[in-house]
Amino acid sequence: TQLLEQSPQFLSIQEGENLTVYCNSSSVFSSLQWYRQEPGEGPVLLVTVVTGGEVKKLKRLTFQFGDARKDSSLHITAAQPGDTGLYLCAGAPTGRRALTFGSGTRLQVQP
Amino acid sequence: NAGVTQTPKFRILKIGQSMTLQCTQDMNHNYMYWYRQDPGMGLKLIYYSVGAGITDKGEVPNGYNVSRSTTEDFPLRLELAAPSQTSVYFCASSYAQSGYEQYFGPGTRLTVT
Repeated sequence: TQLLEQSPQFLSIQEGENLTVYCNSSSVFSSLQWYRQEPGEGPVLLVTVVTGGEVKKLKRLTFQFGDARKDSSLHITAAQPGDTGLYLCAGAPTGRRALTFGSGTRLQVQP
Repeated sequence: NAGVTQTPKFRILKIGQSMTLQCTQDMNHNYMYWYRQDPGMGLKLIYYSVGAGITDKGEVPNGYNVSRSTTEDFPLRLELAAPSQTSVYFCASSYAQSGYEQYFGPGTRLTVT
């Protein structure tokens, strides 16, 4: 059983469309992170959310941490082909030392 | 700064062979990690270390060993390679534990046949 469930697993959209990716758990997290991974490379951190209910914006990307700190979402506005990649959420449940990664959402944005 | 470097980039092993995947970071991070990533999947933690001389198991440690004799280096040893260990292996480091950015190396693609 995955500690962090991501949905959808795959998403193929046209340039200019909006999308939302979800990261859910039954566990409480002290913080959650979102990474993006491009083919042949390691993941790169996009954002860390720490406070329940927190919303962070990074240009066209909006990240939200659930009030109960069990879930998070990533919303992309007006997607571009450069947004193509694997999006991973990651967090350490309260009391654990190491990060757990979700299974990822593979996004393809068609020009 | 080179960040996190891994060698080799690619390797093919026969069943039963052994090898060591090298990982070095030059950011003076105390925390280092080894993950494996199977095709189309997320990352699974194999082992991690919170400092020189200290290592701990992650989710999938069976078939692997690690050591941490210096802050910079965190090699991963595969003994008696099996086809189930075919994967891409990523090393990462961070300043501290949860909430801090993990910096990843470029990965080692391993095939066991």
